[in-house]
Amino acid sequence: LAKTTQPISMDSYEGQEVNITCSHNNIATNDYITWYQQFPSQGPRFIIQGYKTKVTNEVASLFIPADRKSSTLSLPRVSLSDTAVYYCLVDDDTGRRALTFGSGTRLQVQP
Amino acid sequence: GAVVSQHPSWVICKSGTSVKIECRSLDFQATTMFWYRQFPKQSLMLMATSNEGSKATYEQGVEKDKFLINHASLTLSTLTVTSAHPEDSSFYICSARNFLDRESYEQYFGPGTRLTVT
Repeated sequence: LAKTTQPISMDSYEGQEVNITCSHNNIATNDYITWYQQFPSQGPRFIIQGYKTKVTNEVASLFIPADRKSSTLSLPRVSLSDTAVYYCLVDDDTGRRALTFGSGTRLQVQP
Repeated sequence: GAVVSQHPSWVICKSGTSVKIECRSLDFQATTMFWYRQFPKQSLMLMATSNEGSKATYEQGVEKDKFLINHASLTLSTLTVTSAHPEDSSFYICSARNFLDRESYEQYFGPGTRLTVT
């Protein structure tokens, strides 16, 4: 099970782009990279998932280099409501394994 | 997207009593559900994997006799905290996958249940 490492916290201002990088050196061939967002006293919410290169959806982009040993979640033009904890997780392609949460990155967006 | 609900959203109980928390997948069937526990300012810790029609699989250090899990149907798993103590006070979160969705491995999380033991 690949361990993930990400910064404990980050600060940003409204309107800026935020990039959160996660390392997963031992990622396996059949592993996917998934990011979740969690607000206080709520369950985590799926943001984006990818296997390689770049994935983009309506809320974020995920950049994965060729070696897949790291990934970067990019949040364009953050707002105050993006203040949350962001978790990077590695999951296999069976979809049957429980997720192992690391410490996550606490993003604080200032006005 | 798929929805997972939990009931109750919060509960306060006295030491020594038991509390049941329900986790339901509202619009899909979940043969497997997961139970997590989260203490303040900490990450989610997996407690157990709940399998429909069979015994749950508990993580190391989680007492199976204290945290009873029942997954009696494809849409419902329950976690019962027996003989609760103040140290069991935590945020309990369940999750489930829609294994029929071949295009996504997204795990859907419930809103969580805040348990306070006095």
